[in-house]
Amino acid sequence: EIVLTQSPGTLSLSPGERATLSCRASQSFSSNLAWYQQKPGQAPRLLIYGASSRATGIPDRFSGSGSGTDFTLTISRLEPEDFAVYYCQQYGSSPPYTFGQGTKLEIK
Amino acid sequence: EVQLVQSGAEIKKPGESLRISCKGSGYSFTSYWIAWVRQMPGKGLEWMGIIFPGDSDTKYSPSFQGQVTFSADKSIRTAYLQWSSLKASDTAMYYCARRGDYGDYWGQGTLVTVSS
Repeated sequence: EIVLTQSPGTLSLSPGERATLSCRASQSFSSNLAWYQQKPGQAPRLLIYGASSRATGIPDRFSGSGSGTDFTLTISRLEPEDFAVYYCQQYGSSPPYTFGQGTKLEIK
Repeated sequence: EVQLVQSGAEIKKPGESLRISCKGSGYSFTSYWIAWVRQMPGKGLEWMGIIFPGDSDTKYSPSFQGQVTFSADKSIRTAYLQWSSLKASDTAMYYCARRGDYGDYWGQGTLVTVSS
C-alpha cells in the first residue's frame, strides 16, 4: 500500500499570498495523483487530477505539479474562500487508492 | 447535471445492521465505478473501496475487507454500503464518489452514529 505524507500539517498565510502544499509518496506511481479541497461540513471537491490537470470549474490560481514520489499543489494568490483542508490521493497501478492525512490552510 | 444523492443520517446501536445508499443521476450509472470514502470525526479521508455498477465487480481496501459490503442495483441507479454488525468505531461520515480512481463528483455524505 502506498503511503502519502502531506506537509506541512498546517499552513498559516494571508489572502493574496502564495501557498505551496507538498505530498510525498512511499513509492513511485507516475502522475496518478489528485488533490481535493474540503471545507467544514462539506464533501471534498476535486481540484486537480493527473497531477496537473485542473478539474472542471477550478480557477487557474490552482496548479499541480510533480511525478514519481513528489507532488505539489500551488495556489498562486490566496482568496478568502481558499482557506480549507487539502488532501492528496494516489490512484496508482492498483488499489487501495490512498489519501494523504491532509494540510489545513488557515488564515494568518 | 451529474449528481450523487446519499441517504440520510443514521443512529444505530452496536451490533445492528445498516445499509446506506448513493443514487446517481445525470450520467451513465453503469459506466463508472463508485467509490466509498470514510471520514471519522475530526479526521482525514480513508479510501474504503469501489464497486462497478455495470457488473457489481468490487475492490476493497485491506483495512475494510470483511468489515463492509458494497452492492449496487443498476435498475434504480443506486449503490449501497452495508454493515452486518456495527461497532462504535464505525461512527463516521461516509461519502460516495464517482469514478474508481479519483472522485470527480461526490455525494453529500451520510453520517452514521453508532452508540449504545
